[in-house]
Amino acid sequence: QQQVKQSPQSLIVQKGGISIINCAYENTAFDYFPWYQQFPGKGPALLIAIRPDVSEKKEGRFTISFNKSAKQFSLHIMDSQPGDSATYFCAASRDAGGTSYGKLTFGQGTILTVHP
Amino acid sequence: GAVVSQHPSRVICKSGTSVKIECRSLDFQATTMFWYRQFPKQSLMLMATSNEGSKATYEQGVEKDKFLINHASLTLSTLTVTSAHPEDSSFYICSATGLAGGGREQFFGPGTRLTVL
Repeated sequence: QQQVKQSPQSLIVQKGGISIINCAYENTAFDYFPWYQQFPGKGPALLIAIRPDVSEKKEGRFTISFNKSAKQFSLHIMDSQPGDSATYFCAASRDAGGTSYGKLTFGQGTILTVHP
Repeated sequence: GAVVSQHPSRVICKSGTSVKIECRSLDFQATTMFWYRQFPKQSLMLMATSNEGSKATYEQGVEKDKFLINHASLTLSTLTVTSAHPEDSSFYICSATGLAGGGREQFFGPGTRLTVL
């Protein structure tokens, strides 16, 4: 019940196109859903995050869509650029207090390649 | 703001030796720090959670005596890989949360590449 399933495993997009990555979760106690971007040999960097009280959040070219009833959320990257080529991870966490507070459950990751 | 550093960035050691990795929050006080392990082309695997001044909480299957974690202050946590073996070779990443944002946002360090010969 702690799993977060991410798809696709890899994605190839042309420059200027839209990249879409999907995640699904099971645990309805999750209440924080961030997306991270990771370049090879580097640590993950937070891109954008959403709480379940909103259905969409946009920051620049990055948008999270959230469907609470379906227990799914997705990342849309508009006008994808070669510099966006990286691995993207969705994650989820719940506020359970104690040692579980803030602990992230990560998806499997999506390798995005944007061709020029 | 919210910068997390790790040292060293890369370490190569001989089998049987111990290696210490430092994780520092540079511009905020980290109430909680997390240690992850990542194999090539795989996701991050949480190893343990540590709070300042208390014992770390290890995930199931992670050997406490193998991976020693010390969270000595609100800005420093260390991971010591004891008696390292080639199978311990991996990318180790720490993260930290503070009071900002309700403590939910995790800020990640740049990672440490450990190679055990």
